[in-house]
Amino acid sequence: NAGVMQNPRHLVRRRGQEARLRCSPMKGHSHVYWYRQLPEEGLKFMVYLQKENIIDESGMPKERFSAEFPKEGPSILRIQQVVRGDSAAYFCASSPSGVTGYTFGSGTRLTVV
Amino acid sequence: GENVEQHPSTLSVQEGDSAVIKCTYSDSASNYFPWYKQELGKGPQLIIDIRSNVGEKKDQRIAVTLNKTAKHFSLHITETQPEDSAVYFCAASMGETSGSRLTFGEGTQLTVNP
Repeated sequence: NAGVMQNPRHLVRRRGQEARLRCSPMKGHSHVYWYRQLPEEGLKFMVYLQKENIIDESGMPKERFSAEFPKEGPSILRIQQVVRGDSAAYFCASSPSGVTGYTFGSGTRLTVV
Repeated sequence: GENVEQHPSTLSVQEGDSAVIKCTYSDSASNYFPWYKQELGKGPQLIIDIRSNVGEKKDQRIAVTLNKTAKHFSLHITETQPEDSAVYFCAASMGETSGSRLTFGEGTQLTVNP
Protein backbone atom coordinates (compact mmCIF):
# COMPACT_ATOMS: atom_id res chain seq x y z
CA ASN A 1 0.00 0.00 0.00
CA ALA A 2 1.79 3.09 -1.24
CA GLY A 3 1.92 6.08 1.05
CA VAL A 4 1.01 9.65 0.16
CA MET A 5 2.77 10.44 -3.10
CA GLN A 6 3.88 13.95 -3.90
CA ASN A 7 5.56 15.14 -7.05
CA PRO A 8 7.76 16.66 -8.03
CA ARG A 9 10.13 16.34 -5.07
CA HIS A 10 11.98 19.48 -6.10
CA LEU A 11 10.69 22.31 -8.27
CA VAL A 12 12.55 25.40 -9.42
CA ARG A 13 10.60 28.29 -10.89
CA ARG A 14 11.54 31.80 -11.97
CA ARG A 15 9.67 34.71 -10.50
CA GLY A 16 6.35 35.18 -12.30
CA GLN A 17 5.99 31.55 -13.43
CA GLU A 18 3.37 29.09 -12.24
CA ALA A 19 4.04 26.17 -9.89
CA ARG A 20 1.87 23.05 -9.85
CA LEU A 21 2.28 20.61 -6.97
CA ARG A 22 0.59 17.21 -7.05
CA CYS A 23 -0.56 14.93 -4.27
CA SER A 24 -2.00 11.45 -4.54
CA PRO A 25 -3.53 10.38 -1.21
CA MET A 26 -3.22 6.92 0.28
CA LYS A 27 -5.65 4.38 -1.07
CA GLY A 28 -8.95 4.68 0.75
CA HIS A 29 -8.22 8.20 2.02
CA SER A 30 -10.71 10.84 0.92
CA HIS A 31 -9.43 13.78 3.00
CA VAL A 32 -6.46 15.81 1.76
CA TYR A 33 -4.63 18.61 3.56
CA TRP A 34 -1.89 20.95 2.35
CA TYR A 35 0.68 22.51 4.68
CA ARG A 36 3.57 24.87 4.02
CA GLN A 37 6.87 24.77 5.90
CA LEU A 38 9.21 27.74 5.70
CA PRO A 39 12.90 27.09 6.51
CA GLU A 40 13.41 26.20 10.18
CA GLU A 41 9.74 26.70 11.03
CA GLY A 42 6.79 24.49 11.81
CA LEU A 43 4.15 23.48 9.31
CA LYS A 44 1.32 25.94 8.65
CA PHE A 45 -2.10 24.76 7.51
CA MET A 46 -3.21 25.96 4.09
CA VAL A 47 -6.26 24.06 2.86
CA TYR A 48 -8.44 20.99 3.49
CA LEU A 49 -10.22 19.25 0.63
CA GLN A 50 -12.43 16.29 0.01
CA LYS A 51 -13.26 14.96 -3.43
CA GLU A 52 -14.49 17.88 -5.58
CA ASN A 53 -14.93 20.10 -2.51
CA ILE A 54 -12.85 22.67 -0.67
CA ILE A 55 -13.80 22.26 2.99
CA ASP A 56 -11.53 24.83 4.62
CA GLU A 57 -9.19 27.25 2.83
CA SER A 58 -8.69 29.64 5.71
CA GLY A 59 -4.90 29.17 5.61
CA MET A 60 -4.50 29.94 1.92
CA PRO A 61 -3.21 33.34 0.81
CA LYS A 62 -6.09 35.19 -0.83
CA GLU A 63 -4.32 35.73 -4.12
CA ARG A 64 -2.27 33.54 -6.46
CA PHE A 65 -2.91 30.29 -4.57
CA SER A 66 -5.58 27.73 -5.43
CA ALA A 67 -6.20 24.06 -4.72
CA GLU A 68 -8.38 21.35 -6.11
CA PHE A 69 -9.11 17.66 -5.56
CA PRO A 70 -11.00 16.41 -8.61
CA LYS A 71 -13.14 13.32 -8.80
CA GLU A 72 -10.38 11.58 -10.71
CA GLY A 73 -6.68 12.19 -10.26
CA PRO A 74 -4.45 13.81 -7.67
CA SER A 75 -4.99 16.92 -5.62
CA ILE A 76 -3.27 19.96 -7.13
CA LEU A 77 -1.89 23.01 -5.34
CA ARG A 78 -1.32 25.79 -7.84
CA ILE A 79 0.69 28.93 -7.23
CA GLN A 80 0.48 31.57 -9.94
CA GLN A 81 3.08 34.30 -10.54
CA VAL A 82 5.45 32.90 -7.93
CA VAL A 83 7.58 35.25 -5.81
CA ARG A 84 10.73 34.52 -3.79
CA GLY A 85 8.67 34.37 -0.58
CA ASP A 86 6.85 31.32 -1.93
CA SER A 87 10.06 29.28 -1.59
CA ALA A 88 9.24 26.59 0.96
CA ALA A 89 8.49 22.92 1.42
CA TYR A 90 4.87 22.05 0.69
CA PHE A 91 3.51 18.95 2.36
CA CYS A 92 0.35 17.07 1.61
CA ALA A 93 -1.34 14.78 4.11
CA SER A 94 -4.28 12.44 3.72
CA SER A 95 -6.57 10.68 6.16
CA PRO A 96 -9.50 8.28 5.93
CA SER A 97 -11.59 10.56 8.11
CA GLY A 98 -10.73 13.63 10.08
CA VAL A 99 -7.66 14.32 12.14
CA THR A 100 -6.62 10.82 13.17
CA GLY A 101 -4.79 8.63 10.70
CA TYR A 102 -3.05 11.63 9.11
CA THR A 103 -0.21 10.48 6.85
CA PHE A 104 2.18 13.00 5.31
CA GLY A 105 3.94 12.78 1.97
CA SER A 106 7.63 13.57 1.52
CA GLY A 107 6.88 17.07 0.30
CA THR A 108 7.70 19.27 -2.67
CA ARG A 109 10.52 21.73 -2.17
CA LEU A 110 9.81 24.82 -4.22
CA THR A 111 12.62 27.23 -4.98
CA VAL A 112 11.84 30.52 -6.69
CA VAL A 113 14.82 32.14 -8.38
CA GLY B 1 -7.24 30.58 16.58
CA GLU B 2 -5.11 27.96 18.26
CA ASN B 3 -1.49 28.76 19.09
CA VAL B 4 1.10 26.14 20.03
CA GLU B 5 4.45 26.95 21.61
CA GLN B 6 7.26 24.40 21.80
CA HIS B 7 10.46 24.33 23.90
CA PRO B 8 13.35 23.94 23.63
CA SER B 9 14.17 24.73 20.02
CA THR B 10 17.36 22.64 20.23
CA LEU B 11 18.23 19.79 22.57
CA SER B 12 21.47 17.84 22.73
CA VAL B 13 21.78 14.70 24.87
CA GLN B 14 24.18 11.84 25.32
CA GLU B 15 23.19 8.42 24.04
CA GLY B 16 21.23 6.59 26.72
CA ASP B 17 19.98 9.75 28.42
CA SER B 18 16.37 10.90 28.40
CA ALA B 19 14.98 13.78 26.34
CA VAL B 20 11.93 15.87 27.19
CA ILE B 21 10.18 18.32 24.85
CA LYS B 22 7.35 20.52 26.10
CA CYS B 23 4.45 22.24 24.36
CA THR B 24 1.68 24.56 25.46
CA TYR B 25 -1.54 25.31 23.62
CA SER B 26 -3.95 28.19 23.90
CA ASP B 27 -7.42 26.87 23.05
CA SER B 28 -9.07 24.66 25.66
CA ALA B 29 -11.25 23.19 22.89
CA SER B 30 -8.25 21.31 21.48
CA ASN B 31 -8.68 17.60 22.09
CA TYR B 32 -6.07 15.79 20.01
CA PHE B 33 -2.31 16.12 20.40
CA PRO B 34 0.03 14.25 18.04
CA TRP B 35 3.83 14.27 17.94
CA TYR B 36 5.77 14.02 14.69
CA LYS B 37 9.37 13.17 13.88
CA GLN B 38 10.86 14.75 10.77
CA GLU B 39 14.15 13.57 9.34
CA LEU B 40 16.11 15.67 6.88
CA GLY B 41 14.43 15.82 3.49
CA LYS B 42 11.40 13.80 4.58
CA GLY B 43 7.84 14.44 5.62
CA PRO B 44 6.68 14.39 9.26
CA GLN B 45 6.02 10.91 10.63
CA LEU B 46 3.55 10.35 13.46
CA ILE B 47 5.28 8.76 16.45
CA ILE B 48 2.65 9.00 19.18
CA ASP B 49 -0.59 10.85 19.89
CA ILE B 50 -2.90 11.47 22.82
CA ARG B 51 -6.50 12.54 23.23
CA SER B 52 -7.80 14.89 25.87
CA ASN B 53 -9.57 12.16 27.82
CA VAL B 54 -6.23 10.50 28.60
CA GLY B 55 -3.43 11.84 30.81
CA GLU B 56 -0.56 9.68 29.66
CA LYS B 57 0.29 7.27 26.88
CA LYS B 58 3.38 5.13 26.39
CA ASP B 59 4.83 3.22 23.46
CA GLN B 60 8.12 1.48 24.22
CA ARG B 61 10.73 4.26 24.75
CA ILE B 62 8.31 7.09 23.95
CA ALA B 63 5.68 8.56 26.24
CA VAL B 64 3.42 11.60 26.11
CA THR B 65 1.76 13.34 29.05
CA LEU B 66 -1.10 15.81 28.93
CA ASN B 67 -2.17 18.36 31.54
CA LYS B 68 -5.50 19.81 30.36
CA THR B 69 -5.77 22.27 33.24
CA ALA B 70 -2.42 23.84 32.47
CA LYS B 71 -2.85 23.29 28.71
CA HIS B 72 0.50 21.68 28.20
CA PHE B 73 1.76 18.35 26.94
CA SER B 74 5.18 16.76 26.82
CA LEU B 75 7.11 14.14 24.87
CA HIS B 76 9.51 11.90 26.79
CA ILE B 77 12.08 9.73 25.05
CA THR B 78 14.06 7.36 27.25
CA GLU B 79 17.30 5.51 26.47
CA THR B 80 17.96 7.78 23.49
CA GLN B 81 19.81 6.41 20.48
CA PRO B 82 21.64 8.26 17.66
CA GLU B 83 18.81 7.35 15.27
CA ASP B 84 16.45 9.41 17.44
CA SER B 85 18.24 12.52 16.12
CA ALA B 86 15.68 14.51 14.11
CA VAL B 87 13.31 17.47 14.38
CA TYR B 88 10.29 16.79 16.57
CA PHE B 89 7.02 18.69 16.23
CA CYS B 90 4.07 18.82 18.57
CA ALA B 91 0.62 19.71 17.24
CA ALA B 92 -2.88 20.35 18.50
CA SER B 93 -6.27 19.97 16.90
CA MET B 94 -9.90 20.60 17.80
CA GLY B 95 -10.85 17.68 15.58
CA GLU B 96 -13.76 18.08 13.23
CA THR B 97 -14.69 21.38 14.90
CA SER B 98 -11.68 22.97 13.25
CA GLY B 99 -11.96 21.05 10.01
CA SER B 100 -9.41 18.57 11.32
CA ARG B 101 -6.54 20.98 10.83
CA LEU B 102 -3.38 20.65 12.91
CA THR B 103 -1.62 23.61 14.51
CA PHE B 104 2.08 22.85 14.86
CA GLY B 105 4.76 24.05 17.23
CA GLU B 106 7.98 25.44 15.81
CA GLY B 107 9.93 22.24 16.28
CA THR B 108 12.79 20.90 18.41
CA GLN B 109 16.06 19.79 16.83
CA LEU B 110 17.14 16.79 18.93
CA THR B 111 20.72 15.61 18.64
CA VAL B 112 21.78 12.38 20.34
CA ASN B 113 25.55 12.20 20.70
CA PRO B 114 27.08 8.71 20.64
